[in-house]
Amino acid sequence: NAGVMQNPRHLVRRRGQEARLRCSPMKGHSHVYWYRQLPEEGLKFMVYLQKENIIDESGMPKERFSAEFPKEGPSILRIQQVVRGDSAAYFCASSSGGDEKLFFGSGTQLSVL
Amino acid sequence: EDQVTQSPEALRLQEGESSSLNCSYTVSGLRGLFWYRQDPGKGPEFLFTLYSAGEEKEKERLKATLTKKESFLHITAPKPEDSATYLCAVTSGDYKLSFGAGTTVTVRA
Repeated sequence: NAGVMQNPRHLVRRRGQEARLRCSPMKGHSHVYWYRQLPEEGLKFMVYLQKENIIDESGMPKERFSAEFPKEGPSILRIQQVVRGDSAAYFCASSSGGDEKLFFGSGTQLSVL
Repeated sequence: EDQVTQSPEALRLQEGESSSLNCSYTVSGLRGLFWYRQDPGKGPEFLFTLYSAGEEKEKERLKATLTKKESFLHITAPKPEDSATYLCAVTSGDYKLSFGAGTTVTVRA
């Protein structure tokens, strides 16, 4: 039973480049959440998506960040024109809906040079 | 805004030395409090959900309890494999979790 799959595990980008982070939820899960973890800080909610719908993006910066969860394929978190402050671990989680029990992937560590 | 404070930040234990981790929270209408375990380089792994004051959950050497203002994670006779960062989170809605910064537990053999 495959868990939540994220790739890449590590991503290095130079300032101004684009970063694309992918997340495939657990089999049978249609709810996807993205969280960001900065050093010495707790995980911060970014966005909640269901297939083809953004349900809540209140935790996501209004500029440069976008997320999608298409009908087919993984969920994508896209960061345009990255800056050093975007360096963090980005975690994706999924659920079957109906309760708050989330299953997390292993994360993507984004480093901006 | 929901707030979660965990203490201590770090805890070093000898194998077999029981201890407790604290999670204090401020939330407008608690719907659930969650404990997760996170190993280095990995995502959080679900441990427990608590819903109401007085509730307790157990799993192996771990026991979680909940009051109206805080939760405790008790580790009984820990082993080195219990070394990890333990995260507490709360939700007042349907899906958005607010996490604490975690307590890093190191158990020495």
